[in-house]
Amino acid sequence: QQQVKQSPQSLIVQKGGISIINCAYENTAFDYFPWYQQFPGKGPALLIAIRPDVSEKKEGRFTISFNKSAKQFSLHIMDSQPGDSATYFCAASAGYSTLTFGKGTMLLVSP
Amino acid sequence: GAVVSQHPSWVICKSGTSVKIECRSLDFQATTMFWYRQFPKQSLMLMATSNEGSKATYEQGVEKDKFLINHASLTLSTLTVTSAHPEDSSFYICSASLRTLNEQFFGPGTRLTVL
Repeated sequence: QQQVKQSPQSLIVQKGGISIINCAYENTAFDYFPWYQQFPGKGPALLIAIRPDVSEKKEGRFTISFNKSAKQFSLHIMDSQPGDSATYFCAASAGYSTLTFGKGTMLLVSP
Repeated sequence: GAVVSQHPSWVICKSGTSVKIECRSLDFQATTMFWYRQFPKQSLMLMATSNEGSKATYEQGVEKDKFLINHASLTLSTLTVTSAHPEDSSFYICSASLRTLNEQFFGPGTRLTVL
């Protein structure tokens, strides 16, 4: 019930393309869904987050799509750039509980 | 704003010694701090949650006597790895949160290598 399933495990996208990473959850009590970006040897950094009262949130080239009925949410990176190459983690939490992380997606944007 | 620092950024120690890692929230008071460890190409594993002035809550399977956590102030938490062994080698990351937010702000991590 506490799991967050993330896919794909790795992703290669050409520069300028759209990167899409998906996450699914079971716990309907989850009410906060952040995405983190992590570069090698660095701590994760919050990229964008959404709450279940909206179906989409956009910040620059990054968009979260949220489907409450399907218990799924996804990260879209538009116009992907080589500098976006990193590992991305989705996460979820309920109330003020701890974050449950997905297993991560290694994104490589080829020049 | 919301900057979290860790010190040291990397440490190498001999087996059997103890290592202390500091986590500081630089521009806010963190009511709760979290400690994670991360093995190569894996996700973050929560080790413990600590609230200022109280004992840390450890996740199942994490030895509290081995990983000592102190959260003495609203801006500082420390993790001490006691009697470190090579299997403790990992990337240790802390995060801090405000009372009113789910949002966690992560530190840059500390790479521990035990020889």
